[in-house]
Amino acid sequence: AQTVTQSQPEMSVQEAETVTLSCTYDTSESDYYLFWYKQPPSRQMILVIRQEAYKQQNATENRFSVNFQKAAKSFSLKISDSQLGDAAMYFCAYRAFWNSGGSNYKLTFGKGTLLTVNP
Amino acid sequence: ETGVTQTPRHLVMGMTNKKSLKCEQHLGHNAMYWYKQSAKKPLELMFVYSLEERVENNSVPSRFSPECPNSSHLFLHLHTLQPEDSALYLCASSQDRGRPNEKLFFGSGTQLSVL
Repeated sequence: AQTVTQSQPEMSVQEAETVTLSCTYDTSESDYYLFWYKQPPSRQMILVIRQEAYKQQNATENRFSVNFQKAAKSFSLKISDSQLGDAAMYFCAYRAFWNSGGSNYKLTFGKGTLLTVNP
Repeated sequence: ETGVTQTPRHLVMGMTNKKSLKCEQHLGHNAMYWYKQSAKKPLELMFVYSLEERVENNSVPSRFSPECPNSSHLFLHLHTLQPEDSALYLCASSQDRGRPNEKLFFGSGTQLSVL
């Protein structure tokens, strides 16, 4: 079974500082994708960053970057120069083929990490 | 404009009621999804839907039934729910459901309370 573990239920960071959110996953697949989604108080889930497992280079999106360690099955998110608007629930997710009888890829989420940004 | 709109935003219903959740996407996508988000649990995929095919998660009780009349609209019909069904129900869409790097676009959800 595919599982995604976020070991930090809550994290806090001072504005302008850097914070790293942890994520590990368990899979036997070789072809998969990893994502970080953000859910602010508005409740809408927003894609922050994604990583293809076959790429060794870590993905970056402005202040957001990942540290992808495939052998360790680790996919952490680093937020640099944290802003008040970064406060949200962050979900790590894993997407791989789902044998439902058709062409389908299932997105499996972790339980989330609640990030607080202190001014 | 989020591209995916869900109504109502909040819903309170009794266990004997019948209600429906509505989702509409304005992105021209071909696939739509229902997710359930319960407190302190990972998001659970309930249904994947497109005009061509509906893929149903085996663990979804029959008191939840989806309907997708066209590629822009998705409904979740609810009947005889249980208190443990109280949760945030999120709708999402994507261009296609057959690509592994597919980006999902989510709505803001319906917060459902079953009394």
